[in-house]
Amino acid sequence: AQKVTQAQTEISVVEKEDVTLDCVYETRDTTYYLFWYKQPPSGELVFLIRRNSFDEQNEISGRYSWNFQKSTSSFNFTITASQVVDSAVYFCALRNNAGNMLTFGGGTRLMVKP
Amino acid sequence: DVKVTQSSRYLVKRTGEKVFLECVQDMDHENMFWYRQDPGLGLRLIYFSYDVKMKEKGDIPEGYSVSREKKERFSLILESASTNQTSMYLCASSSSDIYQPQHFGDGTRLSIL
Repeated sequence: AQKVTQAQTEISVVEKEDVTLDCVYETRDTTYYLFWYKQPPSGELVFLIRRNSFDEQNEISGRYSWNFQKSTSSFNFTITASQVVDSAVYFCALRNNAGNMLTFGGGTRLMVKP
Repeated sequence: DVKVTQSSRYLVKRTGEKVFLECVQDMDHENMFWYRQDPGLGLRLIYFSYDVKMKEKGDIPEGYSVSREKKERFSLILESASTNQTSMYLCASSSSDIYQPQHFGDGTRLSIL
């Protein structure tokens, strides 16, 4: 069975601080895919990034960066110089190679205060 | 851009009513999904469909059914609504390419009184 754990249920930071959202996963598969989604107050989940299990390169996209470490089964997400618009619930998710079903973590609510 | 449209943002129904939640996608995606979202539990899969008239149970199908008569439309049905089905419901779609992400609608916040 697959499992995704986001231990931080809520994080509050002040604007311009850096913040890291943790994601730990469990799977028996050797090939799998990890995702991060953002859910702003409007409700729609917005896709941020996908990472394949065979590609451990970290990725940076503007103020966002992702650190994938297979050795610790973690896929952490860092926002540099946070902004109020980053306030949202962030979900980490896992999909195995067999199909299209996603297993989601419980989500982390990030509040960025001015 | 992919557009997944859910028919209602907010819905209030009474215990025992039959409730229909509708979802339409405009990208000719093969796969469609229904999730419910509850605080601390993330998103849990109720049902999904990989083709017209095909359906598969997800993690929590009890009390729900689905219908997919056309490729673009996927309906979630609460046969006899109960208060423990008060939740946020999210629809998603994806292509059959497993590299591609799922795209989500805005969600329907359903209250059962």
